[in-house]
Amino acid sequence: NAGVTQTPKFQVLKTGQSMTLQCAQDMNHEYMSWYRQDPGMGLRLIHYSVGAGITDQGEVPNGYNVSRSTTEDFPLRLLSAAPSQTSVYFCASSYSGQLGSSYEQYFGPGTRLTVT
Amino acid sequence: EDKVVQSPLSLVVHEGDTVTLNCSYEVTNFRSLLWYKQEKKAPTFLFMLTSSGIEKKSGRLSSILDKKELFSILNITATQTGDSAVYLCAVEAGETSGSRLTFGEGTQLTVNP
Repeated sequence: NAGVTQTPKFQVLKTGQSMTLQCAQDMNHEYMSWYRQDPGMGLRLIHYSVGAGITDQGEVPNGYNVSRSTTEDFPLRLLSAAPSQTSVYFCASSYSGQLGSSYEQYFGPGTRLTVT
Repeated sequence: EDKVVQSPLSLVVHEGDTVTLNCSYEVTNFRSLLWYKQEKKAPTFLFMLTSSGIEKKSGRLSSILDKKELFSILNITATQTGDSAVYLCAVEAGETSGSRLTFGEGTQLTVNP
């Protein structure tokens, strides 16, 4: 299994440009999430999905869109990049809970995005 | 608003020392608390805790949860330079199991030889 994969690893955008960060997992996990990590602020949840066709907002959703057409893929779209979106982005996935069980999240390698 | 606070934010020790990292939380509908280790790349999973008073152990690392006082500790004994990393605490909360994790800022641990 490749686990959770993310592309690209690095990206530089100009203010106003749009782009899509790709995330895929081959573990048949139902749950997938996007986080951003900024110095001194830990990881913050952007959007998450509990299954194909279902997405919801996290703590910092503004400026980002997601969709989940398949179980495997969960792309994150930046509509109009801003310098405040300079960050490291992590995608994560986990099994669904049964009878209230929880499972650990597996993280992708991250995408380092710089917006100038 | 869910909140997770870790302390200390940074810690410098010598090889062989024992360290204790702290994590306190205020969340609605607590489900689990997780510890991750991050070494300049993606976080890697260490422990998941759901019940109070039951210690999870893996080699020199151990962790315990106190759901009454709303905190967890991560202990590392006989530290090695390879333990140098950021240790992240995260809490899963909500009415249903899922992917909503709230992270603390992390504790930067540096182990000097």
